[in-house]
Amino acid sequence: NAGVTQTPKFQVLKTGQSMTLQCAQDMNHNSMYWYRQDPGMGLRLIYYSASEGTTDKGEVPNGYNVSRLNKREFSLRLESAAPSQTSVYFCASSELLVLEAFFGQGTRLTVV
Amino acid sequence: QKEVEQNSGPLSVPEGAIASLNCTYSDRGSQSFFWYRQYSGKSPELIMSIYSNGDKEDGRFTAQLNKASQYVSLLIRDSQPSDSATYLCAVIASGTYKYIFGTGTRLKVLA
Repeated sequence: NAGVTQTPKFQVLKTGQSMTLQCAQDMNHNSMYWYRQDPGMGLRLIYYSASEGTTDKGEVPNGYNVSRLNKREFSLRLESAAPSQTSVYFCASSELLVLEAFFGQGTRLTVV
Repeated sequence: QKEVEQNSGPLSVPEGAIASLNCTYSDRGSQSFFWYRQYSGKSPELIMSIYSNGDKEDGRFTAQLNKASQYVSLLIRDSQPSDSATYLCAVIASGTYKYIFGTGTRLKVLA
């Protein structure tokens, strides 16, 4: 039982490059979330998916897109990376009724 | 006004003391509240959830909720150096599954 798995763990991109961060959970959770964490800013919600087939914007969605591929997987795409997107990205999942969120190990992304 | 506010700290307490961490939120309709602990370089992990006014105890941790004052707190009794971490308050926005975090309070327990 792996919980929430994110890939990759580390990534360096050049400005303008694109990439997709992958997230998968094996807890049969309905809701999934993408956050970024920057020093002094806490966790900021980028996008979330309350259930399979739905996605909604969070606090800082600009420059990102998401896909809820199925109940297990929720990916985050950067179409044209910018240095301002240098951050640690966390994926999380929760059950609809219990609502307690479980986090992946994070992806440290640097855009140069 | 930020949706969830916490004092960034650091909050320093001696070993064995009670650490008191506070959080206020702006959405009066919120019903679900959480405390997470995050060690440096690690991902957040859930400590407590609370949904009703009053106190909820789990071991050395007590969460307190006052919906009228829009205030959530976390007490850590008999603080240990291993409790040194950043503590994040989280609230689910009313009518949504939008999970909003505060910026966190850094706690340092001095041996």
